[in-house]
Amino acid sequence: AQSVTQPDIHITVSEGASLELRCNYSYGATPYLFWYVQSPGQGLQLLLKYFSGDTLVQGIKGFEAEFKRSQSSFNLRKPSVHWSDAAEYFCAVDALNAGNMLTFGGGTRLMVKP
Amino acid sequence: DTAVSQTPKYLVTQMGNDKSIKCEQNLGHDTMYWYKQDSKKFLKIMFSYNNKELIINETVPNRFSPKSPDKAHLNLHINSLELGDSAVYFCASSQESGTFSYEQYFGPGTRLTVT
Repeated sequence: AQSVTQPDIHITVSEGASLELRCNYSYGATPYLFWYVQSPGQGLQLLLKYFSGDTLVQGIKGFEAEFKRSQSSFNLRKPSVHWSDAAEYFCAVDALNAGNMLTFGGGTRLMVKP
Repeated sequence: DTAVSQTPKYLVTQMGNDKSIKCEQNLGHDTMYWYKQDSKKFLKIMFSYNNKELIINETVPNRFSPKSPDKAHLNLHINSLELGDSAVYFCASSQESGTFSYEQYFGPGTRLTVT
């Protein structure tokens, strides 16, 4: 069965610092990959997605992610974090044979220090 | 102009009751979903539904049933509520035919508390 692992439950960074959130998946082929953000008390918003092609994908709010097949990873990055980026971040996988039902990682809570 | 809306936003009820959560999308999407987010923020798919097919996560108890009166609505009915059903339930939708999207749009969530 497919699985998604986000090794870091909490991350704290200073405002203006760079950010990398890790995501690893377990699946035989290359699935569709997504990053979502959830602000407190809110629903999920799609940041970016990878289906095929260029392994570096750009998303909204200045985020990007890089797909590395050899490492089964899809890490999320941002060069300079803003206080408004504090939220919960979820990596998700669509293995295509699951009726387009997403499998989510456990989430990483990002806190931003002033 | 909410794309995916859910009602109610909060629902407090007692064990053993039957309740429903409503979901509506105005995006013209053909597929809708229900997800459960537990107290540890873990998100799990429950159902995927379009006008042709219902796909059920095999771990979902049969006390949960989705009902779709039309393409824009997918309601979640829960019978004989248990304490463990307390969670935030998210509805989502996507366009799965005719486009290459697979982008799911989520509603704001319904926080269900069973006492």
